[in-house]
Amino acid sequence: AQSVTQLDSQVPVFEEAPVELRCNYSSSVSVYLFWYVQYPNQGLQLLLKYLSGSTLVESINGFEAEFNKSQTSFHLRKPSVHISDTAEYFCAVSAMDSSYKLIFGSGTRLLVRP
Amino acid sequence: ETGVTQTPRHLVMGMTNKKSLKCEQHLGHNAMYWYKQSAKKPLELMFVYSLEERVENNSVPSRFSPECPNSSHLFLHLHTLQPEDSALYLCASSQALGRQETQYFGPGTRLLVL
Repeated sequence: AQSVTQLDSQVPVFEEAPVELRCNYSSSVSVYLFWYVQYPNQGLQLLLKYLSGSTLVESINGFEAEFNKSQTSFHLRKPSVHISDTAEYFCAVSAMDSSYKLIFGSGTRLLVRP
Repeated sequence: ETGVTQTPRHLVMGMTNKKSLKCEQHLGHNAMYWYKQSAKKPLELMFVYSLEERVENNSVPSRFSPECPNSSHLFLHLHTLQPEDSALYLCASSQALGRQETQYFGPGTRLLVL
């Protein structure tokens, strides 16, 4: 079975500051990794995902995440945040065996202040 | 309409009522999902359909009854709910049922059970 831990329930940060949202996972098999974002009153949207290859993956809006197998982590980073990045961010994993299930963390609320 | 739509967006119901949530996807996908999102908890997968056949019932109480009449529509029929069932119910779809597949989410139905 897989589990995902997002240690920070809320991360306040000032506009244009860097941010890191932490995600750690536990799994007995190899996994695929995802970050989803949920803006207020909207559903979840895929931000980026790691399937294979380069351990550093990037999104179109400046976020990046790095898969670290030894630390079982997939932290999300952005060097300079905008007010519009205020949202809930969810880390998720799916196992590489036969499971199609996405296992989600409890989410981290990013609050960007002017 | 594009993407995944859900109606109603908000619903208040008594414990003896019967209501239905509707989800429609306009993406030509073959798999559809129901999730429950409660405050400060990870998303909980409830049901999964692939090509209109139910492939997952994640120990959900029988007061929740899903229906998938075709690959574009998914319903969640509700009856004799409990106050602890109050949550945001999210529908999602994916091209196929697979561990690498990106799931596309609707905006959700916020349900309050009195």
